[in-house]
Amino acid sequence: EDQVTQSPEALRLQEGESSSLNCSYTVSGLRGLFWYRQDPGKGPEFLFTLYSAGEEKEKERLKATLTKKESFLHITAPKPEDSATYLCAVFGGSNYKLTFGKGTLLTVNP
Amino acid sequence: SQTIHQWPATLVQPVGSPLSLECTVEGTSNPNLYWYRQAAGRGLQLLFYSVGIGQISSEVPQNLSASRPQDRQFILSSKKLLLSDSGFYLCAWSEGDTQYFGPGTRLTVL
Repeated sequence: EDQVTQSPEALRLQEGESSSLNCSYTVSGLRGLFWYRQDPGKGPEFLFTLYSAGEEKEKERLKATLTKKESFLHITAPKPEDSATYLCAVFGGSNYKLTFGKGTLLTVNP
Repeated sequence: SQTIHQWPATLVQPVGSPLSLECTVEGTSNPNLYWYRQAAGRGLQLLFYSVGIGQISSEVPQNLSASRPQDRQFILSSKKLLLSDSGFYLCAWSEGDTQYFGPGTRLTVL
């Protein structure tokens, strides 16, 4: 069974303080790893898809990287508007469904 | 561009009452459609999955059902709600592996 573990559960940063969120996964035959951002009371917003180890993708202050066992979401010089829950999900093997982690709640203080 | 709609946005229902949540997608044809539930402190749980009109796959046995009467319409129903049905219900569509989520429906069963 596919598994996704995200850490930490919650992270508080000061504005401008860079950090990383972790997503560890167990899947048979990774077809894709996905990062989403979710604001309170809203649906998840798609950020990135990573397909193979060594792949990196960037969007504004966010950069996602992928290894064979985990993915990192690096946040450079965050701003308060980056505060949200960040979700990681994997799509693997012959299974048609995404398996989600429980998310990391990021709070960026001004 | 593609747009996904869900309604109602919020719903408060008594135990034992029926349920109907609707999801529609614009700007795409023959999408895969999904219903998820998100409970506090838990990851997203896939409830139903559809690859076409009238084709529904159920992930979790429960008192909920889904139907797809039209290509871009997905409906989640229940004949009698339970307290445990409370949660945040999300509809999603996909082309390829990436799933895109709607704004969600907050359901409270009292």
